[in-house]
Amino acid sequence: EDKVVQSPLSLVVHEGDTVTLNCSYEVTNFRSLLWYKQEKKAPTFLFMLTSSGIEKKSGRLSSILDKKELFSILNITATQTGDSAVYLCAVETNAGKSTFGDGTTLTVKP
Amino acid sequence: NAGVTQTPKFQVLKTGQSMTLQCAQDMNHNSMYWYRQDPGMGLRLIYYSASEGTTDKGEVPNGYNVSRLNKREFSLRLESAAPSQTSVYFCASNRAFNSPLHFGNGTRLTVT
Repeated sequence: EDKVVQSPLSLVVHEGDTVTLNCSYEVTNFRSLLWYKQEKKAPTFLFMLTSSGIEKKSGRLSSILDKKELFSILNITATQTGDSAVYLCAVETNAGKSTFGDGTTLTVKP
Repeated sequence: NAGVTQTPKFQVLKTGQSMTLQCAQDMNHNSMYWYRQDPGMGLRLIYYSASEGTTDKGEVPNGYNVSRLNKREFSLRLESAAPSQTSVYFCASNRAFNSPLHFGNGTRLTVT
């Protein structure tokens, strides 16, 4: 059975802090790992990672994949209150199905 | 520029009632999906459709049926609702496997 585990489950920080969110996985026929941000409603796409060691970056957010150790991290630097959300990690297999982790709830206090 | 549209946004059912959740996308995507999200949990796949005319079971298909009506529309039916089906339901689509999912805004379903 495919499994995706995110840690921590929740995190409270203050504006300006840097956070690291973790995602580990055990799946058959890994294809890609995706990060999504979920505020009130629908998850929105952040990054897709397919190769080890190549950092994807968008503004203050960055992510990297380690296919040998089967994990990914999502870093957010200089956090802002607008970063408060649930961050979801999903792993897609060659069968085309995505398995999601339970998410990390990030709260950024002013 | 609607993306993925789900209806209704909210629904309350009594145990044993049936209903259909509607989903339509205007991005010409091939694949469509139905997920449910329970409090404090991630998304679990109910059914998906890799292309028009095909549907497959996901992780939690029991109690649900789906129809891929055409390339744009993918509906989810609960034939006899149960309290365990109380959840938020998300429809999603993507161009093909290995591309990001685009989600609708969800349907909050309560079964009493």
